[in-house]
Amino acid sequence: DVKVTQSSRYLVKRTGEKVFLECVQDMDHENMFWYRQDPGLGLRLIYFSYDVKMKEKGDIPEGYSVSREKKERFSLILESASTNQTSMYLCASYPAGGGNSPLHFGNGTRLTVT
Amino acid sequence: GDSVTQMEGPVTLSEEAFLTINCTYTATGYPSLFWYVQYPGEGLQLLLKATKADDKGSNKGFEATYRKETTSFHLEKGSVQVSDSAVYFCALGSRDTGFQKLVFGTGTRLLVSP
Repeated sequence: DVKVTQSSRYLVKRTGEKVFLECVQDMDHENMFWYRQDPGLGLRLIYFSYDVKMKEKGDIPEGYSVSREKKERFSLILESASTNQTSMYLCASYPAGGGNSPLHFGNGTRLTVT
Repeated sequence: GDSVTQMEGPVTLSEEAFLTINCTYTATGYPSLFWYVQYPGEGLQLLLKATKADDKGSNKGFEATYRKETTSFHLEKGSVQVSDSAVYFCALGSRDTGFQKLVFGTGTRLLVSP
């Protein structure tokens, strides 16, 4: 089974802090994604990566950046955290050429910015 | 752009009741359609999918039929259990993006009481 592991389940950070959310997958998937989940808004794509060192903006990239130095790891970075970034963050992975394979999700990181 | 609209929740049912969660979509081309489920404290996992018109996806007693004429993919289950309590997300994937970049609905919370 594919396993997508997010390093923290809960994080509490202060406004202005630099925040790193880490995600690791163990199935050699080329594609990795960061989503943000908010009540009433569903999941919104922040960034995705289709290869090492490659990244593309999703629908809501403002205030975020990402890093993919190794195939198995995809990091989401909040350069200067703000209260409106309090949310649940979900990482997912997907194989290249996977056709109708499902996205594989981690269990999420609930971030609170105070 | 592509979009998914699903009914607002929560949907509250008694055990063994019939469930319908409505989902309609707007898309160019011929998308694939998915239902994902999120149990408390977990990430999303694929429940079922359909890749072309008139396909029926099914899993764990849940069913959904891809209706191109009504652009719908409603989720149904004949007899719900307490363990079905979760948030359900309808999503679509475009062939143009290799089905990787899913567009999600806002989610519908289902609460089943004994």
